[in-house]
Amino acid sequence: GDSVTQTEGQVTVSESKSLIINCTYSATSIAYPNLFWYVRYPGEGLQLLLKVITAGQKGSSRGFEATYNKETTSFHLQKASVQESDSAVYYCALRGSNAKLTFGKGTKLSVKS
Amino acid sequence: DTTVKQNPRYKLARVGKPVNLICSQTMNHDTMYWYQKKPNQAPKLLLFYYDKILNREADTFEKFQSSRPNNSFCSLYIGSAGLEYSAMYLCASSRGGTGQDTQYFGPGTRLLVL
Repeated sequence: GDSVTQTEGQVTVSESKSLIINCTYSATSIAYPNLFWYVRYPGEGLQLLLKVITAGQKGSSRGFEATYNKETTSFHLQKASVQESDSAVYYCALRGSNAKLTFGKGTKLSVKS
Repeated sequence: DTTVKQNPRYKLARVGKPVNLICSQTMNHDTMYWYQKKPNQAPKLLLFYYDKILNREADTFEKFQSSRPNNSFCSLYIGSAGLEYSAMYLCASSRGGTGQDTQYFGPGTRLLVL
């Protein structure tokens, strides 16, 4: 079946430093799945951060970027300069041929001032 | 307004007792979903309603029931709670029935079974 791997369960970054959260995927139901990043801020529901539906394209939102790399089957999330308000849990997800969302385990980002 | 609401936010249940969780949305979305999230695990789709049609995942088919009395509300029902049901339950909704539209999530209900 489809799967998403986020290798880091928790990441701590100093404010104004750069961030990368790794995500790799395996899609058996479809050649080129749609890819997503969701974010969960404390006390709130999951929110869509960005999505990319075409391989090779880049999505961006709120200073975050992710590029759909079909060669390496990766969709890493990056930000040049993080802020304390970015502290949250970030989930990578894919949507396969059955339109079902498959999530990674999530990466908790803590930004320290 | 893209709010999905869930009640209660926290639920304590006894083993063997029933549990009913409620979700509502006012976006007139066709599809409503229920996910289960356990610590250090990915959110897992349990079932979804497209309009009045219920679709349950094969591996959770017998463990969870659901109803959707109208477009705005959807419930998740556990007939006899076991310790393994302790988790966060996330409700989501989307406009279409193909899964192509963005899913909007509620804040979740944290269920603890003792």
